[in-house]
Amino acid sequence: EAGVAQSPRYKIIEKRQSVAFWCNPISGHATLYWYQQILGQGPKLLIQFQNNGVVDDSQLPKDRFSAERLKGVDSTLKIQPAKLEDSAVYLCASRSGQGNYEQYFGPGTRLTVT
Amino acid sequence: AQSVTQPDIHITVSEGASLELRCNYSYGATPYLFWYVQSPGQGLQLLLKYFSGDTLVQGIKGFEAEFKRSQSSFNLRKPSVHWSDAAEYFCAVGNQAGTALIFGKGTTLSVSS
Repeated sequence: EAGVAQSPRYKIIEKRQSVAFWCNPISGHATLYWYQQILGQGPKLLIQFQNNGVVDDSQLPKDRFSAERLKGVDSTLKIQPAKLEDSAVYLCASRSGQGNYEQYFGPGTRLTVT
Repeated sequence: AQSVTQPDIHITVSEGASLELRCNYSYGATPYLFWYVQSPGQGLQLLLKYFSGDTLVQGIKGFEAEFKRSQSSFNLRKPSVHWSDAAEYFCAVGNQAGTALIFGKGTTLSVSS
């Protein structure tokens, strides 16, 4: 079974530029999460989708961050405009939700904002 | 407030020695507990999980953890550490409904020869 795929793996941009990250969850997984992991900290949720609907985006900085999961499969997270404090690893995870309570994580995208 | 505390930021253990990483949680619902390991530049790999039943759970790579409800703890142990275990370890808590995991800040494990 293929794991969670993310791209790109690394991205360097200047502040005020925009950037987009892509995630393809494990096939059949209904729930998709985007986490932000700042250096030296544990991951923190940005947004959670159930199929193509948003379950929780309470911690998403909506003035600059947006995310979508249009067909209930892959997802895109966008930052526009980026700030220095957005430098972090962005992790995507998915969960089947069918008696399996485990979240499976992708390799992450490391973003550096200069 | 819901939270996970990993009191040790950095631990150094000699190769072959035993290891215990501490984790305490505060959670309003029945906790589902996880330990993940993260090597540099890598994503999170699940070591083990506890949902219910036997409070001593076995995981991959020879790790085990014990759930103690009275102490709100879920400490990770390994009887003999290998150099390849050097990494960052995260404790996390979630629930059956699948809401987002709450992670601790992590413990960095260094292994000395």
